Amino acid sequence: DSGVTQTPKHLITATGQRVTLRCSPRSGDLSVYWYQQSLDQGLQFLIQYYNGEERAKGNILERFSAQQFPDLHSELNLSSLELGDSALYFCASSVDRGNGNTIYFGEGSWLTVV
Amino acid sequence: AQSVTQPDIHITVSEGASLELRCNYSYGATPYLFWYVQSPGQGLQLLLKYFSGDTLVQGIKGFEAEFKRSQSSFNLRKPSVHWSDAAEYFCAVGARGGSYIPTFGRGTSLIVHP
Repeated sequence: DSGVTQTPKHLITATGQRVTLRCSPRSGDLSVYWYQQSLDQGLQFLIQYYNGEERAKGNILERFSAQQFPDLHSELNLSSLELGDSALYFCASSVDRGNGNTIYFGEGSWLTVV
Repeated sequence: AQSVTQPDIHITVSEGASLELRCNYSYGATPYLFWYVQSPGQGLQLLLKYFSGDTLVQGIKGFEAEFKRSQSSFNLRKPSVHWSDAAEYFCAVGARGGSYIPTFGRGTSLIVHP
């Protein structure tokens, strides 16, 4: 158990819908990262937050957004869902901004868009 | 930007045999290097990491990896594989300084025959 908690573990939704994935980082970790894992793209970095502020953006679509709340939990919002958004979404956390620190992953949220 | 290549998509070994998973990276300086393992339906678990110092790094579950600067490699090894080692293995490289976001390889699937 990494200490990173993600909910829900699985969800199925229809195209065009919107979903929210939730992440609680490890106790004491200030940075939260979101990754998308799919068969064709592998593990892709989406976005990083540090202590409530966005720190880095990766291959995140405009239909996706995220935020980190004062209690440091984070949410990833996926809207206007398409079939291609079906993937495993990971949240990860680290102590600080990440320079030389280990990133710990949650077990992921499986999203299926039908 | 950094990149990482895992040349082998699948590796098959017999239980008790030795294992080496290859990882090559591209980065202008000495990077941070990681190996993660993902069991079916699970998140990514850190096996080991290289930040500095001794280029031979020991990890959990009997794994080790050696950083070879001249070859831009960070291969993962285990002297005797157990059936429970069957999983997906990911090499990751992180830049020193800046936003430090690990870039992951596409993964190597390890199959263990009894």
